[in-house]
Amino acid sequence: GAVVSQHPSRVICKSGTSVKIECRSLDFQATTMFWYRQFPKKSLMLMATSNEGSKATYEQGVEKDKFLINHASLTLSTLTVTSAHPEDSSFYICSAFSRNTIYFGEGSWLTVV
Amino acid sequence: RKEVEQDPGPFNVPEGATVAFNCTYSNSASQSFFWYRQDCRKEPKLLMSVYSSGNEDGRFTAQLNRASQYISLLIRDSKLSDSATYLCVVKGSNTGKLIFGQGTTLQVKP
Repeated sequence: GAVVSQHPSRVICKSGTSVKIECRSLDFQATTMFWYRQFPKKSLMLMATSNEGSKATYEQGVEKDKFLINHASLTLSTLTVTSAHPEDSSFYICSAFSRNTIYFGEGSWLTVV
Repeated sequence: RKEVEQDPGPFNVPEGATVAFNCTYSNSASQSFFWYRQDCRKEPKLLMSVYSSGNEDGRFTAQLNRASQYISLLIRDSKLSDSATYLCVVKGSNTGKLIFGQGTTLQVKP
């Protein structure tokens, strides 16, 4: 069974609205989680590193005010896409690191209309 | 230059064929190396780790050449179910941060 659960798996939202994606580690505590984005036929691109109890570390070119990351507990990180635009439509996926193994969430397909 | 580079393909091969994928990475300090498989519209799944001594798992063989900063994956006796995108992945530290290659698409045909 999944050890990292991501929700929702699919979401459609209107331009200008915000959408929140959750990433939970189910049977371990994750002080660090990672958020990736993948456009069709492209590689997974690391957006940010989510750190429990502190600010996320964003990769170059990723707007921290647009992609809000909150890691308030050892089992939950959230990514909020604010003021979504159609170009934000993508596959968003989180991962967590435990016992020297990377676990991925199932991913979330975001469509902004 | 991309940190991890792969030939995106697609590689179209008949069932039973042997196919090899290559990957190069730019950061000589990289510590760990993996091949992941990603099916269409799904999350990546670990296929195998890659070691300098080479490792084999059934029909799959992975090899790492640190001097050339080069990773390979060999698939023997291809099956239809092997059709997927294969991602070369490099980890540079103990934090779990992964750098993904673009992926190589394999299509195995009957």
